[in-house]
Amino acid sequence: DAKTTQPTSMDCAEGRAANLPCNHSTISGNEYVYWYRQIHSQGPQYIIHGLKNNETNEMASLIITEDRKSSTLILPHATLRDTAVYYCIVRVAGVNAGNMLTFGGGTRLMVKP
Amino acid sequence: NAGVTQNPKFQVLKTGQSMTLQCAQDMNHNSMYWYRQDPGMGLRLIYYSASEGTTDKGEVPNGYNVSRLNKREFSLRLESAAPSQTSVYFCASSVEGEGRYGTGELFFGEGSRLTVL
Repeated sequence: DAKTTQPTSMDCAEGRAANLPCNHSTISGNEYVYWYRQIHSQGPQYIIHGLKNNETNEMASLIITEDRKSSTLILPHATLRDTAVYYCIVRVAGVNAGNMLTFGGGTRLMVKP
Repeated sequence: NAGVTQNPKFQVLKTGQSMTLQCAQDMNHNSMYWYRQDPGMGLRLIYYSASEGTTDKGEVPNGYNVSRLNKREFSLRLESAAPSQTSVYFCASSVEGEGRYGTGELFFGEGSRLTVL
């Protein structure tokens, strides 16, 4: 699986959009981009995933660049409850999810009042 | 619908003791996983089970054994605990496991915090 690079930490003001970047310059054509988050001491939570088109769900939006070498997770109106570590992961689709999910260090997002 | 349930939530062991971490899911998922997370680190896969009756090693399997008891339950056993196994252990499950395309969404339990003295 391709390796990802994320900033170690970010701050965001409550109510503003949080934009979390991820670089995955060695991503292969059949690898998807996944985002998970981990709120303090809890199990990780799936947020969103995509291949090459931008995706949106009730939690967030995922913007993937045309060359697929980077992506941005957008939380449109961050709240204090969004304070968490956010993991960007790339993996091949169609195989067991867990055996190919490599959780790196992630980005620690701090949402401030 | 409880999702993924882990027991115990907390455990303190002495070096050399054995114990089993229990995990059960009620979502009828095929695949189940055990991860460990050390302080300030990401998760590392210990073992996984693609389907009932099968288990495979992950990134850090040494010192652990697993049993996929049935479709619902996947246990992790430490035969002789060592201080290096002090960690938070997470169980997870997913729909995939038969080579079908899936969402890649893993559902995690709340974790089991293990301290080995």
